[in-house]
Amino acid sequence: TQLLEQSPQFLSIQEGENLTVYCNSSSVFSSLQWYRQEPGEGPVLLVTVVTGGEVKKLKRLTFQFGDARKDSSLHITAAQPGDTGLYLCAGVAQGSNYQLIWGAGTKLIIKP
Amino acid sequence: DVKVTQSSRYLVKRTGEKVFLECVQDMDHENMFWYRQDPGLGLRLIYFSYDVKMKEKGDIPEGYSVSREKKERFSLILESASTNQTSMYLCASSENLDRVEGYTFGSGTRLTVV
Repeated sequence: TQLLEQSPQFLSIQEGENLTVYCNSSSVFSSLQWYRQEPGEGPVLLVTVVTGGEVKKLKRLTFQFGDARKDSSLHITAAQPGDTGLYLCAGVAQGSNYQLIWGAGTKLIIKP
Repeated sequence: DVKVTQSSRYLVKRTGEKVFLECVQDMDHENMFWYRQDPGLGLRLIYFSYDVKMKEKGDIPEGYSVSREKKERFSLILESASTNQTSMYLCASSENLDRVEGYTFGSGTRLTVV
């Protein structure tokens, strides 16, 4: 079974702190995506990474795809209350036909 | 701005009712998906469609069916609603089968079956 494990499941920190969330698997992925979901809304795509070792930045968010394409991380610098939400990773396993595999998510709360 | 629109944000239905969840996208995407989202379980794929009148079962199709008569519309049908189908239902679409460009999701329908 191909799984994407996200950690931590829950994180509550103060505004201004830095944090990293992780998305890990024993399988190789041809691409991996990160989404943010706010309460009562659908997930919104933040970024897609496709190359091992790739780093992408979106303002204060830095996404990295592992060299072996089995894991990814999301680092937030100087977190703000607007970063609060559920962060989901999802990937296309190498050699699979079409289905996205989803992590269970990291619920992030940034306290003012 | 591209959009996936789900017809209802909240629904309350009785056990045994037939329930229709509607989803429309305006991006001319080939692929459309129905997921349910439950706390701690993440997103689970119910059905997807890669073309008009085509459908494929996902991971949890039991108790559900779908219809895609037009490219822009993908409907999820609960044939006889049960309390264990109380959940958040999310519709999504994508252009490419390899998913590199990501999915566009609707805002979700929170269904309660009583």
